[in-house]
Parts: sequence; structure tokens; C-alpha cells
Amino acid sequence: DIQMTQSPSAMSASVGDRVTITCRASQGISNYLAWFQQKPGKVPKRLIYAASSLQSGVPSRFSGSGSGTEFTLTISSLQPEDFATYYCLQHNSYPFTFGPGTKVDIK
Amino acid sequence: EVQLVESGGGLVQPGRSLRLSCTSSGFTFGDYAMSWVRQAPGKGLEWVGFIRSKAYGGTTEYAASVKGRFTISRDDSKSIAYLQMNSLKTEDTAVYYCSRAGELLDPDYWGQGTLVTVSS
Repeated sequence: DIQMTQSPSAMSASVGDRVTITCRASQGISNYLAWFQQKPGKVPKRLIYAASSLQSGVPSRFSGSGSGTEFTLTISSLQPEDFATYYCLQHNSYPFTFGPGTKVDIK
Repeated sequence: EVQLVESGGGLVQPGRSLRLSCTSSGFTFGDYAMSWVRQAPGKGLEWVGFIRSKAYGGTTEYAASVKGRFTISRDDSKSIAYLQMNSLKTEDTAVYYCSRAGELLDPDYWGQGTLVTVSS
């Protein structure tokens, strides 16, 4: 199985900060990588698919990049509604696997 | 508007079975693969498995943790996906989300989830 790691596991940031979250795969997954946002008590929401494509309706301050084994999710200017946990998911090979999550909270 | 509604969750004893349903609307159900993802209390997301559309054979894939115990099926005439869970264990306690698998098979739309509690 492909193992996914995320760094950092948690971070504190301020409104307006640029935030970068890294996701690494234990083997190459091409661009079969998606990013999800989950707020407490809420349903996960897809932000990015195919590593760098923005889901319709998602603000343009979110962007994704990477290919192979290393990927990043960037929030260019953190907004109050962005405080949440972020997960990556590899869907290159079965079983699909999520990263452990990165919790972004208010500094 | 894509809508997914899970049902069938509840309290069940270890070793027993439970079947979850995911009723879908707002899209042509038969054209899409359907996935299940779960989240144990206070934990991260875990992909459970999915079923391909009939056009791709309607075959299934599962996580190792549920393979042999869980079965995903679909009824395209009713736009419902099912998750049959047998030989349940306490570690299966989680919120179970149904999701539509997008073009690249990652979950693009999610239901609200249904809680399954496995306890004696």
C-alpha cells in the first residue's frame, strides 16, 4: 500500500498569512492526488483534484502543485473561514490512502 | 444539485451486521463509481472502498482493514449504493460517508455521513 505523510501535522497561523502544507507519497503517484478541507463537525470538501486543478467554487487563494511523490497545498492569504484540517488523498493505486491530516488553527 | 444521503447507521454489537444505504440524486447515478469513506471519532479519514459503474464492470475495491467483511453494491434503478458490513468490530465505529467518485475516482461530492457504533 502507498503511505501518505503530511507536514506539518498542525500549525498556528494568522489571518493573511501564506500557508503551505506538504504531502508525500511512499512511491510515485503521478498527479493522482486530491486535497480536502474539513471543518469541525462538517463534511469533507474537495479543494484540489489532479494535484493542481481547483474545484469549482473554491476560492483562488487555494492552489496545489507537485507530481510524483511530493505535493503542496498553498493558501495564499489565510482567511478566518480557512481554519480547518486538511487531508491529501492518493488515488493512483488501490487501496486509496489519505494522509493523516494537517490542522490549521488561529495563532 | 448533487445530493447524497446515507442511512442505516446505529448501535450494533460486535460480530453483528449492518447495511448502510446511500440514496443519490442530481446526477446520472449509473454513470459514476461510488465510494465509502469513514472517520473514527477524533481521527482522520479512511478510504473504505468503492464500486465502479456498470460500464466498467461494476467491480469493487476495498481497504485491507475491511476486505472480506464489507461488501459494496449498487442498484442503479434506485440510485442507491450500499455498504454491507459483517463481522463488525469495535474499531469499525465511525462516521461513514458515501461519496461520488469523480472522473479520476477521487471523491468529489460527499453525503452528510451516518454514525455506526459497534459496542456491547
